Amino acid sequence: GQQLNQSPQSMFIQEGEDVSMNCTSSSIFNTWLWYKQDPGEGPVLLIALYKAGELTSNGRLTAQFGITRKDSFLNISASIPSDVGIYFCAGLQGGSEKLVFGKGMKLTVNP
Amino acid sequence: GAGVSQTPSNKVTEKGKYVELRCDPISGHTALYWYRQSLGQGPEFLIYFQGTGAADDSGLPNDRFFAVRPEGSVSTLKIQRTERGDSAVYLCASSSNGLTGLSTDTQYFGPGTRLTVL
Repeated sequence: GQQLNQSPQSMFIQEGEDVSMNCTSSSIFNTWLWYKQDPGEGPVLLIALYKAGELTSNGRLTAQFGITRKDSFLNISASIPSDVGIYFCAGLQGGSEKLVFGKGMKLTVNP
Repeated sequence: GAGVSQTPSNKVTEKGKYVELRCDPISGHTALYWYRQSLGQGPEFLIYFQGTGAADDSGLPNDRFFAVRPEGSVSTLKIQRTERGDSAVYLCASSSNGLTGLSTDTQYFGPGTRLTVL
């Protein structure tokens, strides 16, 4: 099935560092979402973006919806150990209820 | 309950057997979704219900997969003649009205059922 191109696939950082990840697509999406998934759990929504160019923050998280509507990025500032997990981008196309996910980025934070 | 619940949490079966996976959405949520997540991948859409009806089943991989939601709340995903390639985590999600039209609506995911076909 269709998947978004998410990069990087994994990152190892020190506590306190910032981390950025992005997602691209060959298709236009009307909504971009960022999720975090912990082992044995379902994805949990972190940030939702609804307009091209929109920049939204949620605590230490900042995400942007690309102008072309084909990309999005997520930034986590001042990482802490509990940020460890797998981060997924997801997109929603107009009139569809189908979320299309990226492959995920596994984040490891060394204390 | 407060969130989406799924049972069983783990299911081990033999190739060729029939399995049923259950999802209890958040009370009052009319929209329900099933996704399948293979190891190292993101979730892939299977089917979407609005109320009792399957509004979009385009993600079901073949006719061995079927899902029902007879009373518009609990849903069951049914897999016939299971194959080893069906092994994955099956995730269920619900939202209050569906994602399109209401920009503030959100999908809430359950913890998933890990299916292993031997």
